[in-house]
Amino acid sequence: AQKVTQAQTEISVVEKEDVTLDCVYETRDTTYYLFWYKQPPSGELVFLIRRNSFDEQNEISGRYSWNFQKSTSSFNFTITASQVVDSAVYFCALSDGGSKLTFGKGITLSVRP
Amino acid sequence: ETGVTQSPTHLIKTRGQQVTLRCSSQSGHNTVSWYQQALGQGPQFIFQYYREEENGRGNFPPRFSGLQFPNYSSELNVNALELDDSALYLCASSLAQNEKLFFGSGTQLSVL
Repeated sequence: AQKVTQAQTEISVVEKEDVTLDCVYETRDTTYYLFWYKQPPSGELVFLIRRNSFDEQNEISGRYSWNFQKSTSSFNFTITASQVVDSAVYFCALSDGGSKLTFGKGITLSVRP
Repeated sequence: ETGVTQSPTHLIKTRGQQVTLRCSSQSGHNTVSWYQQALGQGPQFIFQYYREEENGRGNFPPRFSGLQFPNYSSELNVNALELDDSALYLCASSLAQNEKLFFGSGTQLSVL
């Protein structure tokens, strides 16, 4: 069975601070995919990144960066120089390649001006 | 904007009733998935439809059923509503079965 643990439930930072959201996953599959989604108050889940299990390269996209470490089964997400618009619930998710995603419980990020 | 639209946005039903939620996929997407998100939780997979056939189901009872139409729009039907069915129901479409999902804004269902 697949499992995603997001141990942090709520994080509050002041604008311009860096913040890291942790994600630990469990799977017996050798091929799998990891995701991060952002859910603003509107409710829509916004896709941020998908990474397959064979690609351990870190990725940077603007102020966002992701650190994938198979050795520790972690896929952490860092926001550099946070902004108020980053306030949302962030979900880490895992799939075996199909449309069934297993989500963590989410981390509520509040960025204060 | 993901191009995935859901209706209605909010719905109130009473226990025992039946409900139908609708989803219009992003243009060209032939796969649709439905998720249930209880308050304070992550979304849980209900089922997926690919070219009008159910193609994967999560741990939900048979009173949760769905349809996908030739234009790839979809419906989620829930019979004999229970209080625990109160949740945000999210629809997601994708270009193929293993491609990234594009989610709608959801239907907030309250069962009284």
